[in-house]
Amino acid sequence: EDQVTQSPEALRLQEGESSSLNCSYTVSGLRGLFWYRQDPGKGPEFLFTLYSAGEEKEKERLKATLTKKESFLHITAPKPEDSATYLCAVRLYNQGGKLIFGQGTELSVKP
Amino acid sequence: GAVVSQHPSRVICKSGTSVKIECRSLDFQATTMFWYRQFPKQSLMLMATSNEGSKATYEQGVEKDKFLINHASLTLSTLTVTSAHPEDSSFYICSAIYESTDTQYFGPGTRLTVL
Repeated sequence: EDQVTQSPEALRLQEGESSSLNCSYTVSGLRGLFWYRQDPGKGPEFLFTLYSAGEEKEKERLKATLTKKESFLHITAPKPEDSATYLCAVRLYNQGGKLIFGQGTELSVKP
Repeated sequence: GAVVSQHPSRVICKSGTSVKIECRSLDFQATTMFWYRQFPKQSLMLMATSNEGSKATYEQGVEKDKFLINHASLTLSTLTVTSAHPEDSSFYICSAIYESTDTQYFGPGTRLTVL
């Protein structure tokens, strides 16, 4: 069965304290792995797409990496405005564009 | 670019009534849109895939007659919750595939409350 697991479920950081969020996946035929940010009461906001092992993408304080089994979202020197739930999702071949989501990591950054 | 809108953002209705939610891709055409449901503190649950000009494909356990989906144009998909009951109260989110980048973009969501 195709599965996506995110850890930790919740993460509390002090402002400036760097850390990483993990997304491990067990799927057949990975077409792409996506990271989204979701604020309370809003729809997910697209961050990154990764397609192959070894690929890295960066945007401001965020950096996403991909291996054959997992992806990491590294947050460098986070600020309170980075507080949100971060969702990982995978898209498989021959699934018509459907995404399989992990449960998310709720990040809280305190000043 | 790649903006998806939803209307309404919030709706409150009485039990037994029907509610329609619109999902629009504002600056691109989308042959495929998706409808999700999200409960508090949980991840997104895919309800159905909406394809322009054809019938929607529903996920296992989702009642087709209760959640009617129409994808009448390349920029609009609608979800109608028929004979709504309090257990249908939830956060409904749509998304659309922006084919140029093969990325799924999400709408802002609709909060449905059934009294």
